[in-house]
Amino acid sequence: AQSVTQLGSHVSVSEGALVLLRCNYSSSVPPYLFWYVQYPNQGLQLLLKYTSAATLVKGINGFEAEFKKSETSFHLTKPSAHMSDAAEYFCAVISGGGADGLTFGKGTHLIIQP
Amino acid sequence: EPEVTQTPSHQVTQMGQEVILRCVPISNHLYFYWYRQILGQKVEFLVSFYNNEISEKSEIFDDQFSVERPDGSNFTLKIRSTKLEDSAMYFCASSGASGRGSYEQYFGPGTRLTVT
Repeated sequence: AQSVTQLGSHVSVSEGALVLLRCNYSSSVPPYLFWYVQYPNQGLQLLLKYTSAATLVKGINGFEAEFKKSETSFHLTKPSAHMSDAAEYFCAVISGGGADGLTFGKGTHLIIQP
Repeated sequence: EPEVTQTPSHQVTQMGQEVILRCVPISNHLYFYWYRQILGQKVEFLVSFYNNEISEKSEIFDDQFSVERPDGSNFTLKIRSTKLEDSAMYFCASSGASGRGSYEQYFGPGTRLTVT
């Protein structure tokens, strides 16, 4: 079985400040990990993925995430927040083959203060 | 850039009625999925479909749900007799890789289903 825990249902940062969204996973086999972003009234857009290559993964819009096996974490960061980053962010894990569904965390709502 | 499309964007139906949600996955993808997101909750996996049959399904996907790929492009989710608790956003997704590869699932914009 696999699971994802996202700490903090809401995170508020000032524009220009560091963004840190936390994700911890549980998986019985080496996982593939993903971050998705959901803007209001839109679908899910893939930000970045970890697929057992480099542990530091760079994604779109200046986001990156680091896979830490010892901590079972895959936290999402961005050095400088922009107003357009305000959205819901979901961490997801998959452990099996292509037919498996993603297991999502509950999401973190990122608020950007001007 | 290829994308997953879904129709309709919003569906309102009465309890007990049948609904069909439609999706057009990315054309060369092999795996197709349905997820749902009840308002304010996390996204939940319903079912995956590969080679014209269901591959995996969650406990949510009970006998009132069915999926079909009626032609080479469409992928549908049918709910036979809708209940109030079926009200949710339903997302279709597709992925291209076979086996345990570096696959990503690409999501459509969703269909908001409201059961009254």
